[in-house]
Amino acid sequence: EPEVTQTPSHQVTQMGQEVILRCVPISNHLYFYWYRQILGQKVEFLVSFYNNEISEKSEIFDDQFSVERPDGSNFTLKIRSTKLEDSAMYFCASSGYGGMEETQYFGPGTRLLVL
Amino acid sequence: GQQLNQSPQSMFIQEGEDVSMNCTSSSIFNTWLWYKQDPGEGPVLLIALYKAGELTSNGRLTAQFGITRKDSFLNISASIPSDVGIYFCAGPNKDDKIIFGKGTRLHILP
Repeated sequence: EPEVTQTPSHQVTQMGQEVILRCVPISNHLYFYWYRQILGQKVEFLVSFYNNEISEKSEIFDDQFSVERPDGSNFTLKIRSTKLEDSAMYFCASSGYGGMEETQYFGPGTRLLVL
Repeated sequence: GQQLNQSPQSMFIQEGEDVSMNCTSSSIFNTWLWYKQDPGEGPVLLIALYKAGELTSNGRLTAQFGITRKDSFLNISASIPSDVGIYFCAGPNKDDKIIFGKGTRLHILP
């Protein structure tokens, strides 16, 4: 069964460093998402991406964050200058179509630790 | 803003027991989603509900969309060890972004 993959599974970085989290969505999907889950808390929406541009973003997704689809398969989340509070699990998801009727398939996540 | 409140926060049950958890909101939702998150994994959609009063099953799982559209429950019958995990309710807010509850953590005692 097709699945969303994410790399790396874990990343430790110093505060102020840039990180890029990578995702390979399911190949025929058109909508892509990033979510964040701080340890022990709920999953929070960050951004959705369609047709090579951001379609929605939350207030968490400030100027330090950016997303890109650099080629036909990868979808990346960049954090320019990490802060301690960016430590979280970051999930990528994809769906074939937008809208709530369509299942979003989540990847296994990247655990980011900012020291 | 719109919030989803889940209860209980965690549950400890014996294998074979039935489980019930619920999700409420002060505002109306037009879609209710139930996800399960295994340790170290991403959330997986279990059941989606689209109509008030709808009752939907997926194997041993049953979920209902409340008539008021402000609540939903998830039942698991005859629990097994692999049911362990965190169960999240979720739904699209007025901006059509999915928001999640804080989850109900299910533990199964040996």
